[in-house]
Amino acid sequence: GENVEQHPSTLSVQEGDSAVIKCTYSDSASNYFPWYKQELGKGPQLIIDIRSNVGEKKDQRIAVTLNKTAKHFSLHITETQPEDSAVYFCAASSEFTSYDKVIFGPGTSLSVIP
Amino acid sequence: KAGVTQTPRYLIKTRGQQVTLSCSPISGHRSVSWYQQTPGQGLQFLFEYFSETQRNKGNFPGRFSGRQFSNSRSEMNVSTLELGDSALYLCASSLEGLQGRNEQFFGPGTRLTVL
Repeated sequence: GENVEQHPSTLSVQEGDSAVIKCTYSDSASNYFPWYKQELGKGPQLIIDIRSNVGEKKDQRIAVTLNKTAKHFSLHITETQPEDSAVYFCAASSEFTSYDKVIFGPGTSLSVIP
Repeated sequence: KAGVTQTPRYLIKTRGQQVTLSCSPISGHRSVSWYQQTPGQGLQFLFEYFSETQRNKGNFPGRFSGRQFSNSRSEMNVSTLELGDSALYLCASSLEGLQGRNEQFFGPGTRLTVL
C-alpha cells in the first residue's frame, strides 16, 4: 500500500544550526505535501505545505523542497531556535482528497540545544 | 477565535470498560476528524463527520464509533477497551474536510490509558 518514510527519527542540533528532515513517498499520484509541527502537550499544527507544481517553497526560516522524480521532499529549518524543538510530521496525498487518504510519516523528534 | 477543544485531557480506564471523548471544533467548521496517535503506529485516521454524518472511516474495529451533533460538536466512543487502545486521541476540524483546500486544525488531544 501507500507509504511515507521519514528520516531521521530523532535529530539534535545546536541552536543556530540548520536542521533537515527528509521524507519519501510511494504513491506517484500524490501531489500535496504538508508538514506538521507537534509540540509537547499539543496537537499537530500545519507549518508549511507544497504542491507538486513547484519545487521549493519558503516561509521565513523554514523551507520545503520537492523532487517528484525521486518521490522525496524535505523540510529545512535554518537558524534553529529552542522553540523549534518538537516532533515534525510529513504527509502525502492528492490535493483536495478526503482525510482518510492522507498518509503521514512516522515523525522526527527535533531537539535544539541552547 | 477559540481553537479546537477536547475533553477530558487525560483518562484512565481498565480493560473491558467503555469511554466517551468529546471534541468542540472551531466555530463555523463543519468537518470533524478523529485520529489515534501511538509511538508504534503514528497518526492513524479513525473517522470523519460532516454535517452530522460519518463521511469517511479508517481501518479500525467496530468498537470505535462516533457521532456529530447539530452544533458540529463530536464525540467518539470506544467500547470493551483493550490495552492496545492506550493512545493520544486527536480531534481535528476544518471547513470542508478536504486536504489542501482548507487547513485542518488539531485539538490538544485526550490521553487515554487502559490498565
